[in-house]
Amino acid sequence: AQSVTQPDIHITVSEGASLELRCNYSYGATPYLFWYVQSPGQGLQLLLKYFSGDTLVQGIKGFEAEFKRSQSSFNLRKPSVHWSDAAEYFCAVGIYGGSQGNLIFGKGTKLSVKP
Amino acid sequence: DAGVTQSPTHLIKTRGQQVTLRCSPISGHKSVSWYQQVLGQGPQFIFQYYEKEERGRGNFPDRFSARQFPNYSSELNVNALLLGDSALYLCASSLDGYGYTFGSGTRLTVV
Repeated sequence: AQSVTQPDIHITVSEGASLELRCNYSYGATPYLFWYVQSPGQGLQLLLKYFSGDTLVQGIKGFEAEFKRSQSSFNLRKPSVHWSDAAEYFCAVGIYGGSQGNLIFGKGTKLSVKP
Repeated sequence: DAGVTQSPTHLIKTRGQQVTLRCSPISGHKSVSWYQQVLGQGPQFIFQYYEKEERGRGNFPDRFSARQFPNYSSELNVNALLLGDSALYLCASSLDGYGYTFGSGTRLTVV
């Protein structure tokens, strides 16, 4: 069955430090992968997506993610974290068939940023 | 351009009641999906509609139903509300069926 695992429930980093959020997926075919960010009480904002091609994907707000098929991973990175990055981050895999599609999300990683 | 808009933003209902949530997709987007996000969890897929037809359904009871109108807006209905239905309900629209833009959600509290 398709699934997404985000091993870290909560991560705290200092402002200016680098960040890596882990995501592992289970999916039999070529995956379509997404990272979304959610601020408290808000909806989901798309940070970046991977459909095919270059395995290093650039997104908004200085985020990037690398698709590693051999490790079934799609980790999110940022070289220098800002206080405004504090939020919850969700990794998702897209399941598509014909004109039907939906996303399977991980449980999320909450990011706290220390001043 | 307006994003995905959902109404109402917050709602309090009593157990056993029925609720209707509304979603207006981004202009030109013909696919609308609904997700339920329970506190502390990732969103879970409920329904997908494309061109007014149901294209996909998640593992939710028949108390949950939805429809899409000719203008591509959508409604999610939940009957016989349970305490466990308390959640953030998210609507997402898509132009191509692959990338989804989410609304800010409707926070439903069942008491």
